[in-house]
Amino acid sequence: GNSVTQMEGPVTLSEEAFLTINCTYTATGYPSLFWYVQYPGEGLQLLLKATKADDKGSNKGFEATYRKETTSFHLEKGSVQVSDSAVYFCALSVGDMRFGAGTRLTVKP
Amino acid sequence: EAQVTQNPRYLITVTGKKLTVTCSQNMNHEYMSWYRQDPGLGLRQIYYSMNVEVTDKGDVPEGYKVSRKEKRNFPLILESPSPNQTSLYFCASSLNGQGGYGYTFGSGTRLTVV
Repeated sequence: GNSVTQMEGPVTLSEEAFLTINCTYTATGYPSLFWYVQYPGEGLQLLLKATKADDKGSNKGFEATYRKETTSFHLEKGSVQVSDSAVYFCALSVGDMRFGAGTRLTVKP
Repeated sequence: EAQVTQNPRYLITVTGKKLTVTCSQNMNHEYMSWYRQDPGLGLRQIYYSMNVEVTDKGDVPEGYKVSRKEKRNFPLILESPSPNQTSLYFCASSLNGQGGYGYTFGSGTRLTVV
């Protein structure tokens, strides 16, 4: 079936550090790929998406590239801020949405 | 403002007392879905709806009911809540269920069943 595996957390970084959160997927057909972010006490918000191979999604300094050959969609940011502290979910959709387990990121000043 | 509105935000109830969590969206979305979020288990889909009067089970439908009589509303009904339904619940909507569109989520309902 369709599924997403993302790196376990928690991840703790210092401000201005480089961030990578790994995400790989298994899917039949041609999925669209997404990253969502959940801030404390809130619902998930769409961060970025890519709908076909080699597409790069980007938003708020975050980016991820749809790699069909490695079935991956890793999230990256060059310089994290304290305000980026949240839980990040990778997801895929071939119809309904399948979410990874989430990765908690804490950024320390 | 485009949004998904859930109510209530917090609810404490007793075992067996029927309850309804409401969900409404103002974006004319066809697709709506309910998830529960539990520590270590991520988000699990309870029920979804592709359009008015079309609903289907997700991965964990036991103990829940839904209805979709109007496009904007998708209430979640717990006929006889049990403690294992204590969880954080999210409603989400999307333009359609075809896969290329992201979801808009509500702010969540934290339910405690004692």
